[in-house]
Amino acid sequence: EPEVTQTPSHQVTQMGQEVILRCVPISNHLYFYWYRQILGQKVEFLVSFYNNEISEKSEIFDDQFSVERPDGSNFTLKIRSTKLEDSAMYFCASSEPSSDTQYFGPGTRLTVL
Amino acid sequence: SQQGEEDPQALSIQEGENATMNCSYKTSINNLQWYRQNSGRGLVHLILIRSNEREKHSGRLRVTLDTSKKSSSLLITASRAADTASYFCATRPWGYSTLTFGKGTMLLVSP
Repeated sequence: EPEVTQTPSHQVTQMGQEVILRCVPISNHLYFYWYRQILGQKVEFLVSFYNNEISEKSEIFDDQFSVERPDGSNFTLKIRSTKLEDSAMYFCASSEPSSDTQYFGPGTRLTVL
Repeated sequence: SQQGEEDPQALSIQEGENATMNCSYKTSINNLQWYRQNSGRGLVHLILIRSNEREKHSGRLRVTLDTSKKSSSLLITASRAADTASYFCATRPWGYSTLTFGKGTMLLVSP
């Protein structure tokens, strides 16, 4: 069964460094999302992406964040200058045009030191 | 309470028993979805119920939705130890594709 994959599974970085989290959505999906979950807290929406542009974003998704679909398969989240409070599990999700179901990847655990 | 609040926060039962989790929300929704998350892992989609539906079944899962009370329940029948996980409801508002998650219910099923 097709699934969303994410790399790396765990990323450790120093405060102020840039990180890129990578996702490969399910191949025929056209809607892509990033969510994050700080330890012990809710899963929070960051951004949605469709037709090569951001369709929605939350207040969390400030100028430090950006997303890109550099080729036909990858979907990336970049954090330009990481802060301690960016430490969280980041989930990528994708969905088909005709479906409301979002399929989530296993997540990337980001630790900012 | 915030959008998508589940209760109880934690539930401990024996194998074979039924588990019921509730979710309340505040705004008008297009649909409500339930997800499962095993410790430290990704979210697995369980079931989706639309705003014009009142009840839905999938295997041992039964979901109800009461839009007048802005609440939903997830019932897992004949629970198994493998059902041990956190369960989240997520709401999708009209006109948006995003999901708003609750804090989740941690379910522990003991053998």
